[in-house]
Amino acid sequence: DGGITQSPKYLFRKEGQNVTLSCEQNLNHDAMYWYRQDPGQGLRLIYYSQIVNDFQKGDIAEGYSVSREKKESFPLTVTSAQKNPTAFYLCASSFGTGQPQHFGDGTRLSIL
Amino acid sequence: AQSVAQPEDQVNVAEGNPLTVKCTYSVSGNPYLFWYVQYPNRGLQFLLKYITGDNLVKGSYGFEAEFNKSQTSFHLKKPSALVSDSALYFCAVRASGGSYIPTFGRGTSLIVHP
Repeated sequence: DGGITQSPKYLFRKEGQNVTLSCEQNLNHDAMYWYRQDPGQGLRLIYYSQIVNDFQKGDIAEGYSVSREKKESFPLTVTSAQKNPTAFYLCASSFGTGQPQHFGDGTRLSIL
Repeated sequence: AQSVAQPEDQVNVAEGNPLTVKCTYSVSGNPYLFWYVQYPNRGLQFLLKYITGDNLVKGSYGFEAEFNKSQTSFHLKKPSALVSDSALYFCAVRASGGSYIPTFGRGTSLIVHP
């Protein structure tokens, strides 16, 4: 079955540590996205990528970094510069313009 | 700029009664509109979309939505609610031209009481 896989499901970060969230899709989608979800705030866009080796900042990119070396993969690194990283992180992909997004089941990041 | 408003943080309805979750939008040009549902600790699942054509759009699990251009609304409806419909619902919009990145509303928590 095609879909998006996010791992790990739960992640804990220590002070000063960078952590990487994995996102893999086998839907052959060109576009991929990272969102942050906080209670009562909906989804906020962190980064997005339309094609391999290209990505753009979203609304809240500070303290985060991404790479898109393969079509299937779009990992997100939460750096130590992100002072409030506790949130639910969602990865999504879409086939093209006007098409709905497919979402993974998220990674919940907490601070130790 | 594009924006979405979901004016109700929470909607309560009794099982078997009709339900409506409201969404209004603002966008330059023609809108692409979407509804998604999220269950606890899960990702969002696509329910339905409006791109063009009939104003009444039918989607998954018996849900439908009505596009109203004059009122810039895209309310989600279901004739008879189920307890299992209890979840968080998100409306999203993007303009038909320009950036293809959708903007999401803050979400509405639907609670269906037995």
